[in-house]
Amino acid sequence: GNSVTQMEGPVTLSEEAFLTINCTYTATGYPSLFWYVQYPGEGLQLLLKATKADDKGSNKGFEATYRKETTSFHLEKGSVQVSDSAVYFCALRGNTGFQKLVFGTGTRLLVSP
Amino acid sequence: GAGVSQSPSNKVTEKGKDVELRCDPISGHTALYWYRQSLGQGLEFLIYFQGNSAPDKSGLPSDRFSAERTGGSVSTLTIQRTQQEDSAVYLCASSLEGTSGRFRNEQFFGPGTRLTVL
Repeated sequence: GNSVTQMEGPVTLSEEAFLTINCTYTATGYPSLFWYVQYPGEGLQLLLKATKADDKGSNKGFEATYRKETTSFHLEKGSVQVSDSAVYFCALRGNTGFQKLVFGTGTRLLVSP
Repeated sequence: GAGVSQSPSNKVTEKGKDVELRCDPISGHTALYWYRQSLGQGLEFLIYFQGNSAPDKSGLPSDRFSAERTGGSVSTLTIQRTQQEDSAVYLCASSLEGTSGRFRNEQFFGPGTRLTVL
C-alpha cells in the first residue's frame, strides 16, 4: 500500500538557517503530494502541494519539488524564522477514486533566535 | 469564513465509558473525514463520508468505533467502552469534492479533540 517516510525530529535550527526536511514515498500510480503544518495548539494546515511529477509547490518561502525518479518531496526553506517552529507532515493521496490522505509521522522543527 | 470546528476540545474519560466527539464541517463541503493522531502511530485515517454515499469505514480500528453524519453536515464519532489505547487527538477534516470521481480538493482540518482515557 501507499506509505510516506519522513525524517525524524526534532530539527533544531537557528534563525535564518537553511531548512531541509526529507520525505520519500511509496505509491502506485501518480499520487498527489502535500506538506501540512501544525503550529502549537492549532489544527493541521495545508502548506503546499504538487499534483504531478516535476511540479514545485511553494508557500510562505517553503518549497518542495515532486521528484518521481527518486520518489521524494523534500521540504526546503532558505531562511527559517522563529515563527516557523511547528510540526511538519508529508502526505500523499492517490488520484483514482476516493483516496485517503496517508501521512508521515511528522517532523518537529524548533527555531531559536 | 468559519472553518471546521470540533467539540469538545478536550475530553477526559474513564476506561469503559462511551464518548461522543462532534465535528462541524465547513458549510457546503460535501466530504468529511475523521483521522486519529496518536503517539507512535502518527496520523491515521478512520472514516470518510461523501454526500449520500455509504461511508468508507476501512480505517476504523475496531467495532467499538462508529460515526454518523446527519443531514450531510455535522458528524459524530462515537467510541464505546473506551480503552487507554484510544487516547489520542481526533481530527476532523472536510473538503468540497467533485462528482467526477477525481478527488483532489483540499482537506481543511479542525483543531481536534484530545481524548484521554484514564
